Amino acid sequence: DAKTTQPNSMESNEEEPVHLPCNHSTISGTDYIHWYRQLPSQGPEYVIHGLTSNVNNRMASLAIAEDRKSSTLILHRATLRDAAVYYCILRGQYSGGGADGLTFGKGTHLIIQP
Amino acid sequence: DTGVSQDPRHKITKRGQNVTFRCDPISEHNRLYWYRQTLGQGPEFLTYFQNEAQLEKSRLLSDRFSAERPKGSFSTLEIQRTEQGDSAMYLCASSLLLRVPGELFFGEGSRLTVL
Repeated sequence: DAKTTQPNSMESNEEEPVHLPCNHSTISGTDYIHWYRQLPSQGPEYVIHGLTSNVNNRMASLAIAEDRKSSTLILHRATLRDAAVYYCILRGQYSGGGADGLTFGKGTHLIIQP
Repeated sequence: DTGVSQDPRHKITKRGQNVTFRCDPISEHNRLYWYRQTLGQGPEFLTYFQNEAQLEKSRLLSDRFSAERPKGSFSTLEIQRTEQGDSAMYLCASSLLLRVPGELFFGEGSRLTVL
């Protein structure tokens, strides 16, 4: 399985942008890049996904390197409610974990300072 | 609330007892997943249903674990003869075929403590 590498934790200030990095040097051409986050005492929540092009939605932006070996989740203006564990996940044609094939790592614990 | 609901949210039991968790997915979702999450780790896949058919089981799902989804709607996860190592958060998720692939909707989980 293609794996991802994320920092264990990051800290940012409220109302500032946050850039969460993810390395996936063994990504294959058919692997999608998914981001989920998990707020304290809740289940994970889908954030965004992409394949090759950068993506934007109401929650965040996903910037994908040209060689696809890394990506960055961008929260444009962090709030205290964005404090969570953020998971970067590669989903291939078959990544295990059922038809939607999600294999979670440990993620990045994002701390937001007021 | 039309999200994924799980019951009970917390369960404390003694080693050797049986426990059962229930998951009600989002109503039109035909795919249902069970994951387990221990402290400091990401969720680990246990099993997956499409409608009422259990299509995949992880090696983590020992024969003390059984999951069902009898009518393709709600699902139950039963753990027999619980062990202390079963203490974890059990998460249920659902998704809809032909929606965004890999977009799973998770419940808030059922936390199991085995004494």
